[in-house]
Amino acid sequence: SAVISQKPSRDICQRGTSLTIQCQVDSQVTMMFWYRQQPGQSLTLIATANQGSEATYESGFVIDKFPISRPNLTFSTLTVSNMSPEDSSIYLCSVRVIASEKLFFGSGTQLSVL
Amino acid sequence: AQSVTQPDIHITVSEGASLELRCNYSYGATPYLFWYVQSPGQGLQLLLKYFSGDTLVQGIKGFEAEFKRSQSSFNLRKPSVHWSDAAEYFCAVGGNTGGFKTIFGAGTRLFVKA
Repeated sequence: SAVISQKPSRDICQRGTSLTIQCQVDSQVTMMFWYRQQPGQSLTLIATANQGSEATYESGFVIDKFPISRPNLTFSTLTVSNMSPEDSSIYLCSVRVIASEKLFFGSGTQLSVL
Repeated sequence: AQSVTQPDIHITVSEGASLELRCNYSYGATPYLFWYVQSPGQGLQLLLKYFSGDTLVQGIKGFEAEFKRSQSSFNLRKPSVHWSDAAEYFCAVGGNTGGFKTIFGAGTRLFVKA
């Protein structure tokens, strides 16, 4: 299993600012992912966080808007840049643990942009 | 490309009645299939998963799902629904190809009437 610490748990931000979300895992993981869940919607994959290299973004998401870092196997950050009210969502970190097919989720970051 | 279709946006069943939630997937190799439940304001909870072996999978809370490769389906069932089962249900598909990512369906909202 994996215990994921994600912070902040929630934030209220002003339009045009940026927020960095941190994800720390207590075990060695193979894959780390960032998802977004907009109000009343399903989970949408933003990107795969690759250790030591640029993240792999899904269609509709770009690095300038959602820069991601993953300096080691257990830590990643997602930045939501130049925020607008449309960025108000829950952002979730998830991981796949080595030798396991299961996907674990952090508790999420509830972001509100005014 | 990897995708999940949940044809029913919402379903209403009477308490004590049986339930079936539909899920169809597209995946280029052997899929890993999941059902998650999310109650309002809560995080995701894994109900059950299929990786290999027996195509009828038992999960928590009395749920089961059957993997049918010929139909690319992974429908969720419960013989007798309880009022506490009212929630959003998400089907997801992942695997060991295509970047190891997991893609979620749009979700089915379950309403339970007395």
